[in-house]
Order: sequence, then C-alpha cells, then structure tokens
Amino acid sequence: GAGVSQSPSNKVTEKGKDVELRCDPISGHTALYWYRQSLGQGLEFLIYFQGNSAPDKSGLPSDRFSAERTGGSVSTLTIQRTQQEDSAVYLCASSLVRTSGADTQYFGPGTRLTVL
Amino acid sequence: DQQVKQNSPSLSVQEGRISILNCDYTNSMFDYFLWYKKYPAEGPTFLISISSIKDKNEDGRFTVFLNKSAKHLSLHIVPSQPGDSAVYFCAASGNSGAGSYQLTFGKGTKLSVIP
Repeated sequence: GAGVSQSPSNKVTEKGKDVELRCDPISGHTALYWYRQSLGQGLEFLIYFQGNSAPDKSGLPSDRFSAERTGGSVSTLTIQRTQQEDSAVYLCASSLVRTSGADTQYFGPGTRLTVL
Repeated sequence: DQQVKQNSPSLSVQEGRISILNCDYTNSMFDYFLWYKKYPAEGPTFLISISSIKDKNEDGRFTVFLNKSAKHLSLHIVPSQPGDSAVYFCAASGNSGAGSYQLTFGKGTKLSVIP
C-alpha cells in the first residue's frame, strides 16, 4: 500500500519568509510525528499527534514552529520567519497505536529545507 | 546530553562478512529499540526492533541483540551485501502503557559493504 508522503521534496526560501511542509500519513495510522535532521545529526523529535488528543509539542524548538493535523489525517508543519539554522531535512512518520507495546514508526522521504 | 549513542560514525566491511553496528543508551526508561536504514535522499526505513523483555530478535540476515544491564544493543548483518550500504540509525522509546512515544535517535553509522 501507499507509504507516508511529503511535499515538497525540496524547499529553498529566504531568511524571514514563512514555509509550510505537508505530510500525508499511511491510511489508518492514527499517530503522526514530525522530526528533523540537521547536517551530521540524528533525528530530532518535534511534535506528535495522536487521534483527537492534544498534541505533544515538547520538541518544537521555538514558537516560530507550529503544526496542525486536520481531520486526523494530513498534517502541516509551519515555520514562520525562517532562520538559517532551520535548514534541515524535515521528516514525517506515522504509526498505528496499539493497546500495548510500542509502535513502529514509518517515515516519509522528507522535505529538505534550505534557508538562504 | 545524548541518550542514544552510536560511537562509530562509519564502518567498512567486505561483502559476505558480518557487519556489527553498535548502540549505547543511557535512559533506563527506554524499553523498545529499533534499527532504521537510510539511503541518501530517502526517509529512514524500518529494519528490525526488539522489546526489552527479549535479548535477541532475528529476521533473515538481520539480528538485533539487547544487553539491558550494559544498556547496549547491536545489529548484526550476515552475510553483508553491497545493497546494505546505507546509514543505520539506532532508536529507542519508552512505553509505560498504551500508545506510541517519541523516538530518540542516535546520530547514525554509515555502513559501506565492499564488493
């Protein structure tokens, strides 16, 4: 079946502009995650959505970052007034939520954001 | 402070030999561990996982070993193939009940399998 998809695959923007990144999770997955990977670093957790629960925003690096998940499916990550340190690959993942045990997260291909 | 560490940034192995990738963690609340493989310009692909109630999980050429007392896990690939060349990420999560939790990742180890 279809995996996690993200758009755009690449985004180049000027410092100070706002950007929106989109994620379409695997159909039927109720949990959705955003991560980012800066150059030479591991993946860094940003935000987690689960059903209708309040999202876990503990990983967002500043109030310039926000995310929405509409209708329990598609998610948009918005970065306002982008800075050069926001340049990274932004990855979205989704998973089923089981009643017990951890869940395997499946990743999209990512959006490479470059802030000039 | 890094809670998941992959101390070898790179590893080269001859085709047909065993590849051993190592990972250490510091958070004793972690109880679920995963390995992901990543090719350039692609997202991480799930490879294999292990729950803390086990010390070994095997799937084809891939075996993950967990030593809880040492807070160490390793991924063995036997035999290694050129297509295994990729960056391998170790990840961990805590799960004290129902639901999914954020993954904490290591920085990755780049594996090169030489034909």
